Amino acid sequence: DTGVSQNPRHKITKRGQNVTFRCDPISEHNRLYWYRQTLGQGPEFLTYFQNEAQLEKSRLLSDRFSAERPKGSFSTLEIQRTEQGDSAMYLCASSLDSGRSYNEQFFGPGTRLTVL
Amino acid sequence: AQSVTQLDSHVSVSEGTPVLLRCNYSSSYSPSLFWYVQHPNKGLQLLLKYTSAATLVKGINGFEAEFKKSETSFHLTKPSAHMSDAAEYFCVVSEMHLTSGTYKYIFGTGTRLKVLA
Repeated sequence: DTGVSQNPRHKITKRGQNVTFRCDPISEHNRLYWYRQTLGQGPEFLTYFQNEAQLEKSRLLSDRFSAERPKGSFSTLEIQRTEQGDSAMYLCASSLDSGRSYNEQFFGPGTRLTVL
Repeated sequence: AQSVTQLDSHVSVSEGTPVLLRCNYSSSYSPSLFWYVQHPNKGLQLLLKYTSAATLVKGINGFEAEFKKSETSFHLTKPSAHMSDAAEYFCVVSEMHLTSGTYKYIFGTGTRLKVLA
């Protein structure tokens, strides 16, 4: 399978715990994006990487959130001291940058986080 | 800032009848627009995209969309619904970051399509 993969698919945690999600993009894609999707809403942009550089962060990404993409390959999204409001689907997408507005992003299946 | 508005949160059609999912956009310049579909427990899949090459865009699975600048619309249609079309559909506009010069997606709130037997 050469698509975008995400692990775990589901995560249940208690409030205050730290969680980490992983995203493996399509191998030749240099861009990687993280989105958050809550029930009844469309995905909202969190952050993106160009290779290993994190170039943009949304205001939704509080200081409890950190994302990395070491060596420009897979990426991790960590949430520290989780809160119930963090419960959502976290989506990862990748694309091959051509500098054009119509670049297609390829999405993974998402990680569903439930904070109790 | 760019935005998209999906006018219906839920649409129900009978199998074999036409599908219309409505999307209006707001953009200060010629936008790139997309329709994605999300099936349960599956990733978002691109149905089609508008890149200013042609106003009528054909996508996968028999879907198509027409870009109408005068109406700022990009409605998604299909002549005949199939049970497998039941899913969540998202209209998306691509917005350029002024600081980085790169593009990001702005999603609508989605339309859930239900297909009745």
